[in-house]
Amino acid sequence: KQEVTQIPAALSVPEGENLVLNCSFTDSAIYNLQWFRQDPGKGLTSLLLIQSSQREQTSGRLNASLDKSSGRSTLYIAASQPGDSATYLCAARGARDNYGQNFVFGPGTRLSVLP
Amino acid sequence: DAGITQSPRYKITETGRQVTLMCHQTWSHSYMFWYRQDLGHGLRLIYYSAAADITDKGEVPDGYVVSRSKTENFPLTLESATRSQTSVYFCATGTGPVYEQYFGPGTRLTVT
Repeated sequence: KQEVTQIPAALSVPEGENLVLNCSFTDSAIYNLQWFRQDPGKGLTSLLLIQSSQREQTSGRLNASLDKSSGRSTLYIAASQPGDSATYLCAARGARDNYGQNFVFGPGTRLSVLP
Repeated sequence: DAGITQSPRYKITETGRQVTLMCHQTWSHSYMFWYRQDLGHGLRLIYYSAAADITDKGEVPDGYVVSRSKTENFPLTLESATRSQTSVYFCATGTGPVYEQYFGPGTRLTVT
């Protein structure tokens, strides 16, 4: 059964810093991996989707990488801003028969960017 | 462009009552999903649907019923609500076999 973990559980950084959020998954047979942000009391907003054949995806100040062989993905945020404060979740979609090959979510990393 | 809407946004009900949470999408995405989000458990899949009239169980389906007679609607029914079903429920959609997921705003359900 696929399990997804995220380290650290919480992170606090000063504005302007570059930072990396980590996501690990136990079953490397995945179709893709998606990163989301969740603001308090809100739904999830899709940030980046990386297909299993890709090594990385970029959107603005965000860059997500994927290393299937090691079961890891990272989300890099450049020049962090207070508006980046949120919980960041990763979700791995399994290639094996795991609830219809649906996403398994990590617990999230709560990011605080201090002005 | 409304995207995904969920109703109600907040609901308080009593143990044993039947409750239906509604999910509506305007995109005509083929896949729809119901998740619950709980502290300590994260997001867990309850049910999903690949198309109208096609539904299947996720990780935590017990105590829930779904139907999908139309592509745009995917209601989730708690047949006899229990306190353990107090949670935030999210509906999501996806476009196909290798899909990105899009989430609704959520319904906060409290069972007393």
